[in-house]
Amino acid sequence: NAGVTQTPKFQVLKTGQSMTLQCAQDMNHNSMYWYRQDPGMGLRLIYYSASEGTTDKGEVPNGYNVSRLNKREFSLRLESAAPSQTSVYFCASSERSPLAGVRSGELFFGEGSRLTVL
Amino acid sequence: LAKTTQPISMDSYEGQEVNITCSHNNIATNDYITWYQQFPSQGPRFIIQGYKTKVTNEVASLFIPADRKSSTLSLPRVSLSDTAVYYCLGDLSGGYNKLIFGAGTRLAVHP
Repeated sequence: NAGVTQTPKFQVLKTGQSMTLQCAQDMNHNSMYWYRQDPGMGLRLIYYSASEGTTDKGEVPNGYNVSRLNKREFSLRLESAAPSQTSVYFCASSERSPLAGVRSGELFFGEGSRLTVL
Repeated sequence: LAKTTQPISMDSYEGQEVNITCSHNNIATNDYITWYQQFPSQGPRFIIQGYKTKVTNEVASLFIPADRKSSTLSLPRVSLSDTAVYYCLGDLSGGYNKLIFGAGTRLAVHP
């Protein structure tokens, strides 16, 4: 049981280059999330997807785009990378559902993708 | 955007009980309050969650007052391996899925 799988684990980009971080979960979860974590800081929500076909902005969406390709996959794209986007990116999933009476906050995280933009 | 509030750092000694309190004035009515632990170079790890009153598992206890405006994570008899950053998490957006982490509490356990 793989859980949440992120690729790549490490990436170095030059300013202005583009790339896509891939995330897949095998737990049949409805909700998926992208967070970034700068050195010594907490996690900040970039984008999230409550269900297949829907995406919403989080705290720091500028400079990113996302795509919920299907229920399993949620990708994060940097169109024109900037040094300020140097960070560790975490993908997470949750069984949260609008149908639930009380909504669980349990997130399952991937191992992270360490991105450096020069 | 409303966020959770936690102490930035705490210090303790092995064998002591540690209590970390988080304020979340605008937690959604039907959301759990959830706590995570994070070690350096790792993703956050789920510790415990609750809706109200007290929840206990093999790792920690969680106390939530009736008004749900705060919660307290209790770690009994900490060891050096409990040195980590602890986050509370909740949906403060008024929607149902915008899960925002607070800044976290950096706990240092000393011998």
